[in-house]
Amino acid sequence: ETGVTQSPTHLIKTRGQQVTLRCSSQSGHNTVSWYQQALGQGPQFIFQYYREEENGRGNFPPRFSGLQFPNYSSELNVNALELDDSALYLCASSSGLAGNTYTQYFGPGTRLTVL
Amino acid sequence: AQSVTQPDIHITVSEGASLELRCNYSYGATPYLFWYVQSPGQGLQLLLKYFSGDTLVQGIKGFEAEFKRSQSSFNLRKPSVHWSDAAEYFCAVGAREYGNKLVFGAGTILRVKS
Repeated sequence: ETGVTQSPTHLIKTRGQQVTLRCSSQSGHNTVSWYQQALGQGPQFIFQYYREEENGRGNFPPRFSGLQFPNYSSELNVNALELDDSALYLCASSSGLAGNTYTQYFGPGTRLTVL
Repeated sequence: AQSVTQPDIHITVSEGASLELRCNYSYGATPYLFWYVQSPGQGLQLLLKYFSGDTLVQGIKGFEAEFKRSQSSFNLRKPSVHWSDAAEYFCAVGAREYGNKLVFGAGTILRVKS
């Protein structure tokens, strides 16, 4: 069974640029959630995708957007990068019905540095 | 609003000693509770979870946790710590009424001294 994978591992961008992070969900999982983990903090929920539709969003501005593809992989896009966007971005996959909290399995994360 | 508190930022224990990491939550609904572990620069690994039923749950690596509804707590325990347990531990809470997100505590860094 393949776990959650994320790419790239590390990324360096400058302020104002745009970035795309990618996530492949665990085999058999239909739901992907994205979290931002700033240094020294716990992860914070950005949004979740279930069957290619956004299914819940945290307190993040619209410049954070996402996609989910028919194979349940997902992308996180961040426009107009700010210094505070520097963080570890975690993707988690789960399996279940919309509206239910199921166990989420995390990938290794993408470390984004904004200069 | 939902919140999770891990009162201890750092904990140091001797190898072979017992461990208890505290987690308290504030949720207006029946919670689903999780403990995750994170090694430096890594993602989160699930240690154990509680959805319902027996309030004492067993996890991987010899960890267990007890759900105490009256105290709104879900403390993580291990009877004998190994040096490889040094990492950061996160308590997380979800609830069907609040959608699918997990709310995490700020984490507790465990140091193990030999």
